[in-house]
Amino acid sequence: QKEVEQNSGPLSVPEGAIASLNCTYSDRGSQSFFWYRQYSGKSPELIMSIYSNGDKEDGRFTAQLNKASQYVSLLIRDSQPSDSATYLCAVKPGGSYIPTFGRGTSLIVHP
Amino acid sequence: GAVVSQHPSRVICKSGTSVKIECRSLDFQATTMFWYRQFPKKSLMLMATSNEGSKATYEQGVEKDKFLINHASLTLSTLTVTSAHPEDSSFYICSARVGGTVSGANVLTFGAGSRLTVL
Repeated sequence: QKEVEQNSGPLSVPEGAIASLNCTYSDRGSQSFFWYRQYSGKSPELIMSIYSNGDKEDGRFTAQLNKASQYVSLLIRDSQPSDSATYLCAVKPGGSYIPTFGRGTSLIVHP
Repeated sequence: GAVVSQHPSRVICKSGTSVKIECRSLDFQATTMFWYRQFPKKSLMLMATSNEGSKATYEQGVEKDKFLINHASLTLSTLTVTSAHPEDSSFYICSARVGGTVSGANVLTFGAGSRLTVL
């Protein structure tokens, strides 16, 4: 069974700090990796996608992918209270268009 | 960008009744849509994959006779919860795949979700 693992948290960081969210996956053939943000009572929204090893930056967000270690992370710089949400890691296995979601990590940014 | 419209956003019904949830792709055609269920503080659980013009593919443990899925057009998929019971109360979310192929990079766009409460 293809699995995506995330620490459920909560991860608590002070405003202005860097929040680091981690995700590991079991299917070595996975091709596409996504981070979604979900506010309480709302549906997920896409933050970042990453497809090749290395870093991808978009504003305050940086996604990091290491396929050899089967590990993907999301860094949020200058964290704001509005970043407080659950962050879902999603991995699309090779040969499938259906991503597998992790259980999500709850992030709390306190003033 | 791609928008998926889902309604109703909230519905309260009596036990034993049926509830229909609609999911529409507004500015693109979605041959495939996905229906998820999410309990409080839990992750998304894929219920079924809805394919335009054919039968839905249900995940293991999901009752296809209870959760009826119809994908009659390239822009509309519906989920009907039949004979709803309190344990069916949950947050139901649809999504559509935008762009790409099986081997390509495709992204899921989610509807706003429908919170079902069965009394």
